[in-house]
Amino acid sequence: GDSVTQMEGPVTLSEEAFLTINCTYTATGYPSLFWYVQYPGEGLQLLLKATKADDKGSNKGFEATYRKETTSFHLEKGSVQVSDSAVYFCALSDPAGGFKTIFGAGTRLFVKA
Amino acid sequence: GAGVSQTPSNKVTEKGKYVELRCDPISGHTALYWYRQSLGQGPEFLIYFQGTGAADDSGLPNDRFFAVRPEGSVSTLKIQRTERGDSAVYLCASSLGLAGSYEQYFGPGTRLTVT
Repeated sequence: GDSVTQMEGPVTLSEEAFLTINCTYTATGYPSLFWYVQYPGEGLQLLLKATKADDKGSNKGFEATYRKETTSFHLEKGSVQVSDSAVYFCALSDPAGGFKTIFGAGTRLFVKA
Repeated sequence: GAGVSQTPSNKVTEKGKYVELRCDPISGHTALYWYRQSLGQGPEFLIYFQGTGAADDSGLPNDRFFAVRPEGSVSTLKIQRTERGDSAVYLCASSLGLAGSYEQYFGPGTRLTVT
């Protein structure tokens, strides 16, 4: 079945450091890919998405490119801030899988001032 | 406008009891999803409604779990004969349509503890 694998955390960075959180997936069909974020004390919210190969999703300085050849959707940000401290979830929704959303286990990010 | 709301925010129950968890989606959202999130894990799909009908209930772990959405708005997740392994945060999300094309908006969750 479909699955998402993302790098284990926690990831600890200093402010203004470069961030990469790796995500790879397996899917039967041609899924849409997502990154969700959960800030402390808040609910899950969509950060960005990409619906087809080579699409780049971007929001709040974060980017991720849908790489079909490597089945990856790595999250990047050039300069993190303390306010980016949160848990990040990679996810997919596959038409061949009935459109249910499959989430990775999450990666906790701590950004130090 | 109002987001997705879930009640109660916390529920503690004894093993073997019956519980109901409620989800109020965003007005006008036809799609509604239930997920279960265990500590340190991502949300796990349980069931998806399109309108009043369950379009996909393949994630329900067993027949102790059941969900309804009788009028196509509010949904209730029902768990019979609760077990300690049912302890988790239960999340509800709603969207204008299918998850692949439309953004899901998540509620704050109900934390269920089975003692």
